Amino acid sequence: KQEVTQIPAALSVPEGENLVLNCSFTDSAIYNLQWFRQDPGKGLTSLLLIQSSQREQTSGRLNASLDKSSGRSTLYIAASQPGDSATYLCAAFTFSNDYKLSFGAGTTVTVRA
Amino acid sequence: DARVTQTPRHKVTEMGQEVTMRCQPILGHNTVFWYRQTMMQGLELLAYFRNRAPLDDSGMPKDRFSAEMPDATLATLKIQPSEPRDSAVYFCASGKQGSYNSPLHFGNGTRLTVT
Repeated sequence: KQEVTQIPAALSVPEGENLVLNCSFTDSAIYNLQWFRQDPGKGLTSLLLIQSSQREQTSGRLNASLDKSSGRSTLYIAASQPGDSATYLCAAFTFSNDYKLSFGAGTTVTVRA
Repeated sequence: DARVTQTPRHKVTEMGQEVTMRCQPILGHNTVFWYRQTMMQGLELLAYFRNRAPLDDSGMPKDRFSAEMPDATLATLKIQPSEPRDSAVYFCASGKQGSYNSPLHFGNGTRLTVT
């Protein structure tokens, strides 16, 4: 069974600092790795999807890397802003799990102005 | 922007009452998922439909929960009878099966409180 872990559970940084969020997974046979953002009282919004054949994916200030062999993905957010404050979840879409995503518990980020 | 629509947004009910949550997936999406989110357990998959057929509901307490897709534009999750431990946020998500690199789209959830 795929287990997805996110460390740390919470992170507080001053505005302008770069953010590094970690995600690890136990089963490397994945189709893709997805990063989501969740604001309080809202659903999840897809940020980036890295295919299993890719090493990284970029969108604006966001960059996500994937190392399948070590079972790790990292989300980088450059020059953080207060609007980046949210919970970030990663999810692995695994071959053995037939189109079901296994989610981590999330990292709650606070960017202080 | 296409989005997944869930109703109601909030529901407060007494223990023992029936609760029905509804979801309208994005047009053209053929997979629908029901998730439950709590502080303690995080996101748990309850049920999963592909082309309206239930493929996996192993995450759902069968004695009280039921999930259906009466048509391609409506998915329902029913709890009868409800219990206080069912209090959580219930999310519906839709996607395109067969396009494994297409992200899931989530609704804003139904916040259920059972007293």
